[in-house]
This record gives sequence, C-alpha cells and structure tokens, in this order.
Amino acid sequence: KAGVTQTPRYLIKTRGQQVTLSCSPISGHRSVSWYQQTPGQGLQFLFEYFSETQRNKGNFPGRFSGRQFSNSRSEMNVSTLELGDSALYLCASKRGVHEQFFGPGTRLTVL
Amino acid sequence: GENVEQHPSTLSVQEGDSAVIKCTYSDSASNYFPWYKQELGKGPQLIIDIRSNVGEKKDQRIAVTLNKTAKHFSLHITETQPEDSAVYFCAASPFGQGAQKLVFGQGTRLTINP
Repeated sequence: KAGVTQTPRYLIKTRGQQVTLSCSPISGHRSVSWYQQTPGQGLQFLFEYFSETQRNKGNFPGRFSGRQFSNSRSEMNVSTLELGDSALYLCASKRGVHEQFFGPGTRLTVL
Repeated sequence: GENVEQHPSTLSVQEGDSAVIKCTYSDSASNYFPWYKQELGKGPQLIIDIRSNVGEKKDQRIAVTLNKTAKHFSLHITETQPEDSAVYFCAASPFGQGAQKLVFGQGTRLTINP
C-alpha cells in the first residue's frame, strides 16, 4: 500500500508570495493533518481535516489555511510568506481511531 | 493546552547498549502517546505507541512505559544498532474517533557508536 505522498518536495519562494502544498493520504484514510517542523519550534500542529471539514486547528495566523477534497487529498496554503515560514511541512493521514502516518514533507525556503 | 517535555536532547550510546528517552506531559486528558523516529530527509515514522489503559508495551527491542499518575512515559531501546541512530520524538494526544492533535516533544538525537 502506498504511503502518504506530498508534492512538491522542495520549494523556494520570496517574501510576500503565496504557496500551495499538496498531500495525498494513504488510500482509505479520511483524516489529514498538517504540521510545521522547524529547528527552533519543533513539530507544531497546524490543522486537521476530515470529510472535507476542518475539525481541529493549531495556533497559527490566518495566513495559513487548508482544504480537503472529496477524495481526501488535501492542500495547505500560506499567503504573504515571511522568512519565518521557512520550514518542513508535514502531512499525516489516519483512518478512524488508528495511528497517524506521516509523509516525507515539503521543504519550503522563503528568501 | 498540552505541553510535552522530552529529555535528553542528545544521547550517545555504544552499540549493543540500551537507550532511554523520557517525556512528561501536562494535560491529564491525554490518553494516547506515540513515539516517532525521524531519519534525515524523511518524515517521522511511528515506531510504537501506548494508550493510557496500558502501563507497558513491547515490540522486539523497543518498549514504552507509561506512568499516568506522574504524567510521564519513556522509550526504551535495547541492544542498540547503528540503524537506530535518528531523531526520536514523543507525543501526546487525546485519542478517539474525533479530532486528534498530536503535541510533540522537542526531540532526542540518538547516536549509536560502533
């Protein structure tokens, strides 16, 4: 069974731009969560989507948003990029009460 | 909200020895405690988890213990091997069908010396 896939794997943007990251969960998994990983703050929860609805949200500004499609694929968007948004963005999927499985992440660099 | 503290931040052990990583959590509502291993350039990989109705769980060379009263849980790796070198993260969360938000510790960089 294929794992969680994330595209693109690497991305370079400049301040003020916006970016969209994509995540395809494991087949059959309906929950998708997003995390930001930085050396200073570690792994921080952004939001979780289930059946196209956001059902949990972390403490990030409104510039960070996401959505989920009917096939469970998810996208997250960051608008008006700041230098501090440089991070590894991780997507994780789970089915029902089972454990979360992470993808390889998208490395975003903001110049 | 939940806060998870993880120690030590770095750990170096000789191949074949045991390694222990400890975490404490603050929210008594947390009842699910997974451990993840992250290798360079990869996403975190779940290696073992424990729920609060269990005190200990073992999977081959890896074991996790949970003390609900003290709000701490630990990862034990026995007979360490070079491929165990990685960054390990503990996490805590309320567990169930509903929304799940993992709160992670800061990570432990484990180095196995041959």
